[in-house]
Amino acid sequence: DVKVTQSSRYLVKRTGEKVFLECVQDMDHENMFWYRQDPGLGLRLIYFSYDVKMKEKGDIPEGYSVSREKKERFSLILESASTNQTSMYLCASSFPGQENTEAFFGQGTRLTVV
Amino acid sequence: QKEVEQNSGPLSVPEGAIASLNCTYSDRGSQSFFWYRQYSGKSPELIMFIYSNGDKEDGRFTAQLNKASQYVSLLIRDSQPSDSATYLCARGRAAGNKLTFGGGTRVLVKP
Repeated sequence: DVKVTQSSRYLVKRTGEKVFLECVQDMDHENMFWYRQDPGLGLRLIYFSYDVKMKEKGDIPEGYSVSREKKERFSLILESASTNQTSMYLCASSFPGQENTEAFFGQGTRLTVV
Repeated sequence: QKEVEQNSGPLSVPEGAIASLNCTYSDRGSQSFFWYRQYSGKSPELIMFIYSNGDKEDGRFTAQLNKASQYVSLLIRDSQPSDSATYLCARGRAAGNKLTFGGGTRVLVKP
């Protein structure tokens, strides 16, 4: 079974804190993604990585950065957490090369910024 | 206009009936489409994808794609209470398999 594992299910952080969300996949996928999910808005792409040390901004990158030092691990960083970053964060991974390649999701991290 | 649009629902269907979910998209260049199912508190899981005009069937699920009219639909036959979930429509973007999601349709199957 493909496994995408996110380090925390629930997090509560204070405004202004630096927050790290970690994601690990065990399928040797080249592509990794960070999405956030908000009611009525669906999933929105924050950042995408197609190889180690390679990253690309998604649709809503403001206030976030990412790190991919190893193929299996993709970290999302909130430089200075704000209340509007309270959301469900989902990591995903996939093989590259084809538009119809399935993305596998982690279980999600529900982040609350107070 | 959102790139991918879905009716948020809830779509209430009796057990055994057909649930019909619709999704429209704005980018005529879109090539591939995905339907994900997401149970409350869980992560999305792929039901099926489609990239050719017409129908694609997999068990009780049928995806339909009409590129001329820019819509994709999902039919769930013989709906079961276990089908109660939010269904997410997504289009694939050529570069890097990135997905653009709609807001999701919540489906309630009543026994």
